Amino acid sequence: DAGITQSPRYKITETGRQVTLMCHQTWSHSYMFWYRQDLGHGLRLIYYSAAADITDKGEVPDGYVVSRSKTENFPLTLESATRSQTSVYFCASTDRLIIPANTGELFFGEGSRLTVL
Amino acid sequence: GQQVMQIPQYQHVQEGEDFTTYCNSSTTLSNIQWYKQRPGGHPVFLIQLVKSGEVKKQKRLTFQFGEAKKNSSLHITATQTTDVGTYFCAGRAQAGTALIFGKGTTLSVSS
Repeated sequence: DAGITQSPRYKITETGRQVTLMCHQTWSHSYMFWYRQDLGHGLRLIYYSAAADITDKGEVPDGYVVSRSKTENFPLTLESATRSQTSVYFCASTDRLIIPANTGELFFGEGSRLTVL
Repeated sequence: GQQVMQIPQYQHVQEGEDFTTYCNSSTTLSNIQWYKQRPGGHPVFLIQLVKSGEVKKQKRLTFQFGEAKKNSSLHITATQTTDVGTYFCAGRAQAGTALIFGKGTTLSVSS
């Protein structure tokens, strides 16, 4: 029971290339999120999705594209990678955001470390 | 937009000393959550606070939510080497919106 998995775990690419980071969860959670983590910046929200075919921008969406054709998958695409997108990317999911009926606790994947040369 | 600020950014303590990290929001929060990330790991949920003035304890960890629901703190009593990591607070301005994370406080503990 893997829960939420990200792939690849490590990726090195070159400036200008397209890169897709995959995120898959087995809980049928409605909400899924993409965060990037950089030293000194903590976790910054890139995009999130409330359900299949529903996505919304977060704090730092520029240069990223997401899709959610199936509830369990939430891929993040860098259409033309730049060095500033070198980061650790975390996918997360939760079953609902409404409280107090549920904590809305985020479950994070292991992360994908991306280096753009 | 909503901002969540966390201080200090780094803290080093001797094992057995206490540790506190503070979280402040620019807006009133519907709830606040705390996460811990071990070195090389991913954030793991610790707790959620919802009510104004709420205090919750988990063994040596004490979490508080301010009366105005704009600030929170995490206090660790008698730190241990297993407490090493980065502690994040994360808040929602309104129920149903995405969590915004603070930048985290990285705790190191020497024995």
